[in-house]
Amino acid sequence: NAGVTQTPKFRVLKTGQSMTLLCAQDMNHEYMYWYRQDPGMGLRLIHYSVGEGTTAKGEVPDGYNVSRLKKQNFLLGLESAAPSQTSVYFCASSGRNAGGYTFGSGTRLTVV
Amino acid sequence: GQQLNQSPQSMFIQEGEDVSMNCTSSSIFNTWLWYKQDPGEGPVLLIALYKAGELTSNGRLTAQFGITRKDSFLNISASIPSDVGIYFCAGLNSGGYQKVTFGIGTKLQVIP
Repeated sequence: NAGVTQTPKFRVLKTGQSMTLLCAQDMNHEYMYWYRQDPGMGLRLIHYSVGEGTTAKGEVPDGYNVSRLKKQNFLLGLESAAPSQTSVYFCASSGRNAGGYTFGSGTRLTVV
Repeated sequence: GQQLNQSPQSMFIQEGEDVSMNCTSSSIFNTWLWYKQDPGEGPVLLIALYKAGELTSNGRLTAQFGITRKDSFLNISASIPSDVGIYFCAGLNSGGYQKVTFGIGTKLQVIP
């Protein structure tokens, strides 16, 4: 079982460039999430989706956009990258029961 | 919004020692979760607690759901080098999209 797969694993961007992070899950989960993890800050929710075609803002949504065109995929976009977006990004998914999240292995993004 | 206070934020212990960490909240949760994040990986669910007062074990790990529903603790007995990582507590209230609130994490380092 692949679980939650994130691509790419590493990326370096120049300020102002754009990119898309891809998250794919094979567990038929309804809910998907994007988090960023920074030292001393824990995990902060960027955006989430409760189903195909739906998205919503989390705690720190500014500078990011998301799309969920297919149930299994959740894309995170950075339209104009800034150094403040240097972080490790995690995607997670969950089903309808209260069993917690399954996380991907993360994407380490550096914006220079 | 809800906040989780997790302590300690970091700890160094000798191999073989027992470890205890805890999490407190300003409001109640229906479910408490404990995750472990290995270096370079995403968090992995260790233990889920669903009832106030519940005590659950998973190998050398034991976690409890506080009676007030505002706290939880995790104990690791007889630590080993592979216990190294960041441990996150998380609170969840069912209903809606399963919004999970994460603690800031406890970074554990084990000295052989």
